Amino acid sequence: DTEVTQTPKHLVMGMTNKKSLKCEQHMGHRAMYWYKQKAKKPPELMFVYSYEKLSINESVPSRFSPECPNSSLLNLHLHALQPEDSALYLCASTQSNRERNTIYFGEGSWLTVV
Amino acid sequence: KQEVTQIPAALSVPEGENLVLNCSFTDSAIYNLQWFRQDPGKGLTSLLLIQSSQREQTSGRLNASLDKSSGRSTLYIAASQPGDSATYLCASEETSGSRLTFGEGTQLTVNP
Repeated sequence: DTEVTQTPKHLVMGMTNKKSLKCEQHMGHRAMYWYKQKAKKPPELMFVYSYEKLSINESVPSRFSPECPNSSLLNLHLHALQPEDSALYLCASTQSNRERNTIYFGEGSWLTVV
Repeated sequence: KQEVTQIPAALSVPEGENLVLNCSFTDSAIYNLQWFRQDPGKGLTSLLLIQSSQREQTSGRLNASLDKSSGRSTLYIAASQPGDSATYLCASEETSGSRLTFGEGTQLTVNP
């Protein structure tokens, strides 16, 4: 199983809503990532978790709150978002961020903020 | 700060043609370089990973090379097929951690 599963695939939320994006992998990977991708642009790193601990936060606004409940799961909690936050949110994982390995991406969650 | 550039931004070729996609990076102190494929509205699929100590990697019809001294990588696709149509992204990984810096991508169209 070389799959990173993201849910939901599509999400529409109002600026006052609270929602969450979920990511799951069962490859035993210990590094997990959130990326944000706008249309026709490359992915931009948001957060990195290594061994369930937040290791990188790329100065992401606090309206995005990551959570890593266990080594297989990664959540991104969303609150009071802005329309400009509409994008494709990609989750990814690697064996470990201490070794250079292939990174696996999920299919992404399309977020629209209205 | 690392900057990754990909040329061309878009490429349209007839089926069967061999082609080269280019990627350049400003900081040669990379740990590895990866090539990805992204289909419209989908996630990224890793195609090839070249460690900094390696010169090239091959997978099927794909061959990627790395020249750290000149800050360049190329992705060679042999005998292109319509199914190869996608956006191809290269990304460098810095030495200090797990941050991938992506190029803007090359949008490839292979016409039947």
